[in-house]
Amino acid sequence: GQNIDQPTEMTATEGAIVQINCTYQTSGFNGLFWYQQHAGEAPTFLSYNVLDGLEEKGRFSSFLSRSKGYSYLLLKELQMKDSASYLCAVRDSNYQLIWGAGTKLIIKP
Amino acid sequence: IAGITQAPTSQILAAGRRMTLRCTQDMRHNAMYWYRQDLGLGLRLIHYSNTAGTTGKGEVPDGYSVSRANTDDFPLTLASAVPSQTSVYFCASSDQAENTEAFFGQGTRLTVV
Repeated sequence: GQNIDQPTEMTATEGAIVQINCTYQTSGFNGLFWYQQHAGEAPTFLSYNVLDGLEEKGRFSSFLSRSKGYSYLLLKELQMKDSASYLCAVRDSNYQLIWGAGTKLIIKP
Repeated sequence: IAGITQAPTSQILAAGRRMTLRCTQDMRHNAMYWYRQDLGLGLRLIHYSNTAGTTGKGEVPDGYSVSRANTDDFPLTLASAVPSQTSVYFCASSDQAENTEAFFGQGTRLTVV
């Protein structure tokens, strides 16, 4: 079966750095996505990785290791507005997105 | 319209009633999707359409039907609603090229009583 695992909840302090991990087992691989979802809102796109390595986009970076079936999202200089759920999704061999349950990130002052 | 729009935003529905959730996009994306999101679970795919005139079943299709008469519209119908269909429903669309992301509507919160 196909599976995406991420921690259910994490807590971090404003101004700090947090790393959210995602491991996956899917039928094929055609890219990994990270989305942010604030409570009561729709998911919005953050990053995309298809090759191994780090993609940096401002305060957010995403890393991929295809051989390990592993990715992480790194958030730097945390702000209160970063409190949200972060969803990891993998596009499989049929080009369908398989979603993790999401990691709820709580930022404390 | 800018992007992808769902209607209604929320609905309380009596069990056994028929309901259609509407979804319209103006980005000319070929692929469209319907997901449900329940607490503690990831987004689960109900139905999808890779192009106008074609549809496919996702992970949890039972009790739902879709149609794709044109590129822009992708309605989701619950023929006879049951309480287990209480959920938040998201419609999404994408260009289906390899490195393009999916764009989501604002969601429909459906409660079946």
